[in-house]
Amino acid sequence: DAGVTQSPTHLIKTRGQQVTLRCSPKSGHDTVSWYQQALGQGPQFIFQYYEEEERQRGNFPDRFSGHQFPNYSSELNVNALLLGDSALYLCASSFDMKTQYFGPGTRLLVL
Amino acid sequence: AQSVTQLGSHVSVSEGALVLLRCNYSSSVPPYLFWYVQYPNQGLQLLLKYTSAATLVKGINGFEAEFKKSETSFHLTKPSAHMSDAAEYFCAVSDPGGGADGLTFGKGTHLIIQP
Repeated sequence: DAGVTQSPTHLIKTRGQQVTLRCSPKSGHDTVSWYQQALGQGPQFIFQYYEEEERQRGNFPDRFSGHQFPNYSSELNVNALLLGDSALYLCASSFDMKTQYFGPGTRLLVL
Repeated sequence: AQSVTQLGSHVSVSEGALVLLRCNYSSSVPPYLFWYVQYPNQGLQLLLKYTSAATLVKGINGFEAEFKKSETSFHLTKPSAHMSDAAEYFCAVSDPGGGADGLTFGKGTHLIIQP
């Protein structure tokens, strides 16, 4: 049984560019959450998608947007990249809204 | 608003010694609580969770944690540390009331195992 997968594993962008990160949930899961983990910090909740809609959002600007597809996979889009957006971006999936299982993450470096 | 405090950004123990990683939470309602482990350059792996059932929770790799409502704590323990336990450990809380909340994480504790 495949776990949560994310692509790409690493990404380098320059300030002002846009980036799209992708996530496939664990088999049987229908909810996807995204987190940003800055170096040396705990993950911070960006938003959660369920039934192709954003269900809840953390304290992140509108530059961060997402999408969930009918097969439950999800994308995270970040526009107008800032140096401070450099981080590990983690996707987590769940079914019962109690337990989230994390993918390996995408490490984004903004130059 | 929920919050999590992990006491000690770094904890060092000898191989074979007791591991104790501290976590205190603040929540307006009885929360769900989780411990995750992160190895270098990897994502987070679930160690154990408390979801309002038994207050003593057993997880993987010999870890366990006890939910103490009176102390608002959920400390993680392991009787005998192994070199492979060296990693970053995160305590997290979610509000079960709304059913759709993201997790709120602590800042993490780096566990160092001395040979």
